[in-house]
Amino acid sequence: GAGVSQSPSNKVTEKGKDVELRCDPISGHTALYWYRQRLGQGLEFLIYFQGNSAPDKSGLPSDRFSAERTGESVSTLTIQRTQQEDSAVYLCASSKSSGRYNEQFFGPGTRLTVL
Amino acid sequence: KQEVTQIPAALSVPEGENLVLNCSFTDSAIYNLQWFRQDPGKGLTSLLLIQSSQREQTSGRLNASLDKSSGRSTLYIAASQPGDSATYLCGNMLTFGGGTRLMVKP
Repeated sequence: GAGVSQSPSNKVTEKGKDVELRCDPISGHTALYWYRQRLGQGLEFLIYFQGNSAPDKSGLPSDRFSAERTGESVSTLTIQRTQQEDSAVYLCASSKSSGRYNEQFFGPGTRLTVL
Repeated sequence: KQEVTQIPAALSVPEGENLVLNCSFTDSAIYNLQWFRQDPGKGLTSLLLIQSSQREQTSGRLNASLDKSSGRSTLYIAASQPGDSATYLCGNMLTFGGGTRLMVKP
């Protein structure tokens, strides 16, 4: 079966524009996670979904960032009025559930460059 | 709040050497810990998942241990190969370490 997929793989945008990043989790995985990874750094948690609900949005860095998930499947991370500091790789992961013992599987990421 | 630290940040070893990567966490109420490999420009590949009720997991040349009381996990790589060169991260779903960048020289 297919793994986690993300699109686009690369996105270059101008400062001030809005961008949408998409994540398709593994079929049947009810939990979905978004992370940001700046160059040479570790993963920064942004938000996670259990089903279509987001119990923990604590990692979203500002109100310019939002995410939604529909049909317990695809998720979209939207960044409004992008800034240069938003440049990073955005990684998505899924797991069977958000229960404590579930293994995470990651997508290849979307590399966002804000000029 | 859980914090995860990985030491060393970078490691260079000759091919064939056995090595240990370290991961420490601050909250012992950890339910599982997962080790990943990340190649340049790629996502994370799961290597091993250790549940809190387990003390270690093995997969091929890799062995990961978990000691909740001391807040530590280690990833042991036996007989390292140049293909093992990558960044290794440990994490607990919402919190990840900064990674150890491993270089195995032929």
